[in-house]
Amino acid sequence: GNSVTQMEGPVTLSEEAFLTINCTYTATGYPSLFWYVQYPGEGLQLLLKATKADDKGSNKGFEATYRKETTSFHLEKGSVQVSDSAVYFCALTSYQKVTFGIGTKLQVIP
Amino acid sequence: SAVISQKPSRDICQRGTSLTIQCQVDSQVTMMFWYRQQPGQSLTLIATANQGSEATYESGFVIDKFPISRPNLTFSTLTVSNMSPEDSSIYLCSVVRLRSQGDLSYEQYFGPGTRLTVT
Repeated sequence: GNSVTQMEGPVTLSEEAFLTINCTYTATGYPSLFWYVQYPGEGLQLLLKATKADDKGSNKGFEATYRKETTSFHLEKGSVQVSDSAVYFCALTSYQKVTFGIGTKLQVIP
Repeated sequence: SAVISQKPSRDICQRGTSLTIQCQVDSQVTMMFWYRQQPGQSLTLIATANQGSEATYESGFVIDKFPISRPNLTFSTLTVSNMSPEDSSIYLCSVVRLRSQGDLSYEQYFGPGTRLTVT
């Protein structure tokens, strides 16, 4: 079956630090890949997505590239802000089923 | 895109009672999904709700505990039956839609969730 492996948190960074959250996957077919974000007390929101190999998804300064050769979709941001503190979920969709990673909690301190 | 609404947004229920959560989508979709997000954990798929047929449940979830209705292509309900404190979670409705005609990739949309607390 499909699976998503995501680095465990929590990840604590200082403001303006570089962020990488690793995500690798196994899937049948041609999955679409997503990063979702959940801010404290709020619901799940789509952050970015990529639907085929070598696509780069980007939003709010975050980026992730669909790497089929390494089955990865790592999330990066060049300079994090306190407002980026949230839980980040990597996910894939294949044959209309979504599989989520465990989520990585990011805490950015001033 | 798809706009999904859920009712109620939150509820506090007593042990042993049942709660029915409603999910309404602004356009017709073939498949609707119900997820659970327990405190501090990721989302877990409960079941897939297809219109006109019985829901398909994932391992660890059974129809007696989580009966689902799907009367039409824009609406579904999930009932959490005979609740216990372990059922305290956020329950989310979700749909998947083709991005565009001829495109085999999908867009995933989530409802705002129903926060359930069982005392």
